[in-house]
Amino acid sequence: DGGITQSPKYLFRKEGQNVTLSCEQNLNHDAMYWYRQDPGQGLRLIYYSQIVNDFQKGDIAEGYSVSREKKESFPLTVTSAQKNPTAFYLCASRLGSQGRSTEAFFGQGTRLTVV
Amino acid sequence: LAKTTQPISMDSYEGQEVNITCSHNNIATNDYITWYQQFPSQGPRFIIQGYKTKVTNEVASLFIPADRKSSTLSLPRVSLSDTAVYYCLVGDDSNYQLIWGAGTKLIIKP
Repeated sequence: DGGITQSPKYLFRKEGQNVTLSCEQNLNHDAMYWYRQDPGQGLRLIYYSQIVNDFQKGDIAEGYSVSREKKESFPLTVTSAQKNPTAFYLCASRLGSQGRSTEAFFGQGTRLTVV
Repeated sequence: LAKTTQPISMDSYEGQEVNITCSHNNIATNDYITWYQQFPSQGPRFIIQGYKTKVTNEVASLFIPADRKSSTLSLPRVSLSDTAVYYCLVGDDSNYQLIWGAGTKLIIKP
């Protein structure tokens, strides 16, 4: 089955600690995204990547870092510089320039809580 | 990148047809219109996409007038399980930054 997988589903972080959220896709998509969603709000873009070894900041990149060493993987690190990291994090992928489509596929999300 | 405007919330009853309208006055020539559904604590799920006129699939219809400045998602005979947040997005494959609004919270009552 093709899809996009995020792990873990729940994550607890102590203050001052870095944590890494995993995102893997086997859809052969070029573009991958990380979003943050706060309760009752829409999705806000953290980072996105159009191709391997390239990524761009979104609207709320401060306190986060990413890498794109493989087409299938786009991990997100929440650093200690992110002062309010408790949120629901969503990873997505798209075909990108292979199709005139805005259809994105999402993982099931990671709920991060600072304890 | 075109922004969208949707009602914040809507209520309806089981068995009714629900229409959610999205305004996108600045839509570009190459932009497609895409609708997603999101349940609590889950990632959004693609519902339907269109460019002009009418598109229908097994779960919904999408109506787009000739000027394309708005679109209407139509959900036929809704059930309680259709209670969710619905998002409208516009863009094409060159728009790597998809803009997400707050969506429309649809509540279906028995």
